[in-house]
Amino acid sequence: DQQVKQNSPSLSVQEGRISILNCDYTNSMFDYFLWYKKYPAEGPTFLISISSIKDKNEDGRFTVFLNKSAKHLSLHIVPSQPGDSAVYFCAASVSPREKLTFGTGTRLTIIP
Amino acid sequence: AAGVIQSPRHLIKEKRETATLKCYPIPRHDTVYWYQQGPGQDPQFLISFYEKMQSDKGSIPDRFSAQQFSDYHSELNMSSLELGDSALYFCASSSTEGQPGLYGYTFGSGTRLTVV
Repeated sequence: DQQVKQNSPSLSVQEGRISILNCDYTNSMFDYFLWYKKYPAEGPTFLISISSIKDKNEDGRFTVFLNKSAKHLSLHIVPSQPGDSAVYFCAASVSPREKLTFGTGTRLTIIP
Repeated sequence: AAGVIQSPRHLIKEKRETATLKCYPIPRHDTVYWYQQGPGQDPQFLISFYEKMQSDKGSIPDRFSAQQFSDYHSELNMSSLELGDSALYFCASSSTEGQPGLYGYTFGSGTRLTVV
């Protein structure tokens, strides 16, 4: 039972354009949502997070949007840079310090 | 800044052998989590510890056990290894100070276990 889903296994975006990664979840108890970036053979690196009391959080080039009614969140990266090429995981938890449930990941490729 | 340290980085074991993976959390982090990521899969939660006590348990086989020691480092012990145990094993740590759920856990670089 995949509670967190990323329906696009891969995404290619031209350098300088906007990258939009999507994530859907089914567990209405999730209250915290995070995005991680992962390179091969390395641990996930935290990017940005949002709690359910907000619908948007911005940090530099990264913005996360949360639509609780649709159980959907998205990560916007603008402008996209070649160094952004990696696998991106969304993750969710019911409260801080609780275990994370990961999505299946989206491989983002930025085309120079 | 200090990060989460995992050792060893790579480990090759034969079937039915035993493996021990170690995790050293960020100083003053009191919670440790273990995740398993199989080839082409998303990380799956195994087990977590808060203040040296098991706080949550996920899809961890009975052949695996873990503990957190007085210095907060944690070890994942895996016995009777099977080919399907080959995976990346990540450790993460967080602190009960502040709101780590908002700022995210910190993951180690992982241990790649290969069972042959």
